[in-house]
Amino acid sequence: AQSVTQLGSHVSVSEGALVLLRCNYSSSVPPYLFWYVQYPNQGLQLLLKYTSAATLVKGINGFEAEFKKSETSFHLTKPSAHMSDAAEYFCAVLSGGYNKLIFGAGTRLAVHP
Amino acid sequence: DVKVTQSSRYLVKRTGEKVFLECVQDMDHENMFWYRQDPGLGLRLIYFSYDVKMKEKGDIPEGYSVSREKKERFSLILESASTNQTSMYLCASSLTAGTGEREQYFGPGTRLTVT
Repeated sequence: AQSVTQLGSHVSVSEGALVLLRCNYSSSVPPYLFWYVQYPNQGLQLLLKYTSAATLVKGINGFEAEFKKSETSFHLTKPSAHMSDAAEYFCAVLSGGYNKLIFGAGTRLAVHP
Repeated sequence: DVKVTQSSRYLVKRTGEKVFLECVQDMDHENMFWYRQDPGLGLRLIYFSYDVKMKEKGDIPEGYSVSREKKERFSLILESASTNQTSMYLCASSLTAGTGEREQYFGPGTRLTVT
């Protein structure tokens, strides 16, 4: 069965610092992986997705993620944090048919001046 | 752009009331999903539907039912609301598996409070 673990429920960085949000997955088949972002009082928005085409995936707002099969990881990074990046971030893995997703518990990113 | 709309952003109901949450998508997606979101638990799947009148239980279906009479509309029903159903409810839709696009598109959410 597929599962997702996000290490760190809260991450705090300074504006301009590197953002690193960790995601490890468990999957018995080649995974499809996603990162979503949720701004306060909004739904989830797709940041990027891994579908086996390339291991380094670029997304919106300067985010990228690298798929590492040996480490079963799909960590999200951004070189320089901006105040507007403050949000909750969810990692998800495709599970079974019907495009069902299994979500991690989420990581809340705070960006301080 | 895919648009998923939910009938209410905020809802307050009393214990025992019957509650309807409506979701509409405008991209002719086959699959639709209802999640609840609680702090520290991420998103948990309540029910999903892969076609009109077709539904499957998710991970936490107890206390909920769903209806899909038209392709674009998926309703979540709380037959008798209880305080432990106070939560954020998110609707999502996606194309059918095998089309190449696997992601889900989300609505803005309904924050339900049951008093």
